[in-house]
Amino acid sequence: GQQLNQSPQSMFIQEGEDVSMNCTSSSIFNTWLWYKQDPGEGPVLLIALYKAGELTSNGRLTAQFGITRKDSFLNISASIPSDVGIYFCAGSNSGGSNYKLTFGKGTLLTVNP
Amino acid sequence: DTGVSQDPRHKITKRGQNVTFRCDPISEHNRLYWYRQTLGQGPEFLTYFQNEAQLEKSRLLSDRFSAERPKGSFSTLEIQRTEQGDSAMYLCASSLFGQLSSGNTIYFGEGSWLTVV
Repeated sequence: GQQLNQSPQSMFIQEGEDVSMNCTSSSIFNTWLWYKQDPGEGPVLLIALYKAGELTSNGRLTAQFGITRKDSFLNISASIPSDVGIYFCAGSNSGGSNYKLTFGKGTLLTVNP
Repeated sequence: DTGVSQDPRHKITKRGQNVTFRCDPISEHNRLYWYRQTLGQGPEFLTYFQNEAQLEKSRLLSDRFSAERPKGSFSTLEIQRTEQGDSAMYLCASSLFGQLSSGNTIYFGEGSWLTVV
């Protein structure tokens, strides 16, 4: 099946630092979503992107839908300890229905206080 | 709490036994999805319903798996004759299809962990 290449696989940063992670695909997506998952829990939606070039913020989080529709990035500014977790990108190209998400393998973020 | 609810959260079963998971979607959502996630991987699509109709099943969903959504509200996922390879987290999600694209956002439940011993 389709694969999303998500990088980096893991990050160790100091509290207060900014973080950037990205996803690339060989296929075009018409929706990009970013989720955060804590151990033993389901993914929690952070940001949804629906248009190429779209830049959306949610508090300290900012994500962009690449203009080629094949990539997206997520930035976290001024990281705090509760940002720890696994961040997943997910794309959909199921026509206008967006019913089937393809996920990356995740970026494990560790924040040292 | 009006989020997606899953039950049970954890299940340990012996190989060969049947297990059933239940999902209650966000109340007004007409689409319901099942995904499976193994350690170190992102979730993988299994199947989805629009109202009570099951519209697509992934090839990952073997004949031992069956999902239902009889009244278009809650859904069940049953795994028959479980195998050790079925050990994973089974995630349910829901969305409201039919509005603007922003309404198609998919929200996940907390997942049901299955361990087959």
